[in-house]
Amino acid sequence: DSGVTQTPKHLITATGQRVTLRCSPRSGDLSVYWYQQSLDQGLQFLIQYYNGEERAKGNILERFSAQQFPDLHSELNLSSLELGDSALYFCASSASGTGKGVGYEQYFGPGTRLTVT
Amino acid sequence: GQSLEQPSEVTAVEGAIVQINCTYQTSGFYGLSWYQQHDGGAPTFLSYNGLDGLEETGRFSSFLSRSDSYGYLLLQELQMKDSASYFCAVRDSGGYQKVTFGTGTKLQVIP
Repeated sequence: DSGVTQTPKHLITATGQRVTLRCSPRSGDLSVYWYQQSLDQGLQFLIQYYNGEERAKGNILERFSAQQFPDLHSELNLSSLELGDSALYFCASSASGTGKGVGYEQYFGPGTRLTVT
Repeated sequence: GQSLEQPSEVTAVEGAIVQINCTYQTSGFYGLSWYQQHDGGAPTFLSYNGLDGLEETGRFSSFLSRSDSYGYLLLQELQMKDSASYFCAVRDSGGYQKVTFGTGTKLQVIP
């Protein structure tokens, strides 16, 4: 158990809909990362938050947005869903701090499997 | 941009040693991490190399050569439970600081 929690575990929805995925980081971790993993694909970095502020951005679609709240939990919002958005979405957290190497050791949650029909 | 390349599949015999390579091209470089992911599971951190050389953690070792933009993960005394996908990852030291994962290597350990 990594200490990172994600809800829900599974989500089935229709095209055009909007969903929200939730993540709680490990106790004490200020950084939260979101990743997308399609079937038999690698991990695509979406976005990182650090203590409530956006810190880094990957190839995140404009239909997707995220935020980190004062209690450090994070939400990933996916809107106007398309069939291609079906994937496993992981949240990860890492130890606090800044500078070189921060975030090199990330703890991943169990993921949310999103199916768009 | 950043790109990392790994072999897509590797097969090795139980009890043997296997090396999984990772070559990278990055605009900035802080270090190379390795993660293990079993089918249907979440990635778990294995090791990190910030400097050149070998890092050893039990049966797993990881090596980095920054001058060659190359690293590898070495798994010794292979066990059936080591069958999984292995990913290398780098973090951009530039403005975006994005994290990039390699394409992943699927390791199959056979009896």
